[in-house]
Amino acid sequence: GAGVSQSPSNKVTEKGKDVELRCDPISGHTALYWYRQSLGQGLEFLIYFQGNSAPDKSGLPSDRFSAERTGGSVSTLTIQRTQQEDSAVYLCASSLFARGGYTFGSGTRLTVV
Amino acid sequence: ELKVEQNPLFLSMQEGKNYTIYCNYSTTSDRLYWYRQDPGKSLESLFVLLSNGAVKQEGRLMASLDTKARLSTLHITAAVHDLSATYFCAVDGRERGAQKLVFGQGTRLTINP
Repeated sequence: GAGVSQSPSNKVTEKGKDVELRCDPISGHTALYWYRQSLGQGLEFLIYFQGNSAPDKSGLPSDRFSAERTGGSVSTLTIQRTQQEDSAVYLCASSLFARGGYTFGSGTRLTVV
Repeated sequence: ELKVEQNPLFLSMQEGKNYTIYCNYSTTSDRLYWYRQDPGKSLESLFVLLSNGAVKQEGRLMASLDTKARLSTLHITAAVHDLSATYFCAVDGRERGAQKLVFGQGTRLTINP
């Protein structure tokens, strides 16, 4: 596609439920990032995929968070047993190569009630 | 730990005035990005600065990079209301052997008529 696509755009879930957030990067982009942005805050790094290398998971806040990237393309961020503090906008970005210009998706606004 | 600090974090200014946002970072990097974010929207890429002394201009915005001082500036000339947004700088760096794009806290710019 022409840009980075994220779905859903909005998600309201009950505390304790699992959620899956999807990111479709620009075709051919090898690098993919997930960030979290809480209301009025900056961007918190979560996880980074680069080609076939092992992902950098150092930003994941707890073991309830996991992410995978299938076939070097689509990525899914999974949050298990959601908590209210997980409420935020989750942003995905992709780049043609490591340290290239990054294009961001529109984000998924997650609200845990 | 790679840190990126912006200042000021909040800036309210009048139309027609000039001002500068500063971005300091803690480790060697030759690649710095500026992004704009409107409320409820994703990040829009403004500038990518690739080398020491790089200067880029787009309309009323001009960005520069001094890698020796680990400093980038975003200068606003004769501000207009349409420039009201939050501006983020981000730095490509390596931390614990992993490549990472780290963001500053953002500068919320409000331009008053």
